[in-house]
Amino acid sequence: GENVEQHPSTLSVQEGDSAVIKCTYSDSASNYFPWYKQELGKRPQLIIDIRSNVGEKKDQRIAVTLNKTAKHFSLHITETQPEDSAVYFCAAEYFGNEKLTFGTGTRLTIIP
Amino acid sequence: AAGVIQSPRHLIKEKRETATLKCYPIPRHDTVYWYQQGPGQDPQFLISFYEKMQSDKGSIPDRFSAQQFSDYHSELNMSSLELGDSALYFCASSRRTGGQPQHFGDGTRLSIL
Repeated sequence: GENVEQHPSTLSVQEGDSAVIKCTYSDSASNYFPWYKQELGKRPQLIIDIRSNVGEKKDQRIAVTLNKTAKHFSLHITETQPEDSAVYFCAAEYFGNEKLTFGTGTRLTIIP
Repeated sequence: AAGVIQSPRHLIKEKRETATLKCYPIPRHDTVYWYQQGPGQDPQFLISFYEKMQSDKGSIPDRFSAQQFSDYHSELNMSSLELGDSALYFCASSRRTGGQPQHFGDGTRLSIL
């Protein structure tokens, strides 16, 4: 089955700086890669996703890149703000299989 | 916009009791997924249903069962509850035929005493 590794497990950045979280996946059949933000005790909230036919996608301060050959994808958050503090999960899915396999999460702390 | 509705939000049970968790997907979503999230852990896939048929099965214990009804809502039935079943249980839904992403409900926090 699919295995997703995520790094780092914790990340602290100064407000206004950029944050990068990296994930690797094992199953080359995976073709859909969402990122979820989860605040303590709350639901995972989809913030951005990318499909395997695209190398990069951007939505305001958030961007995701995908390298299919190396089987890794990354989340980039620019101009970080205190409200960006949360746990971020990457995930991988093969459309047709449809279950999400999550990474182990990154606790991002933005230092004011 | 309508979201995934889960009930109850909190549930306290004792060992060996049973519990039923309910999930109402986003309107026109045809697929429901159940995930279990322990403290400090990532969500683990349990089971999914597409058009009322089980479509995939993950690490769901034999003590648990689930189904999706004609109105697309789903129920997760848990029996012989154990201390280790204490977790957040999330339901997610998507419109599979439209290739839509999964959106999560607010979860049910299950505590076993």
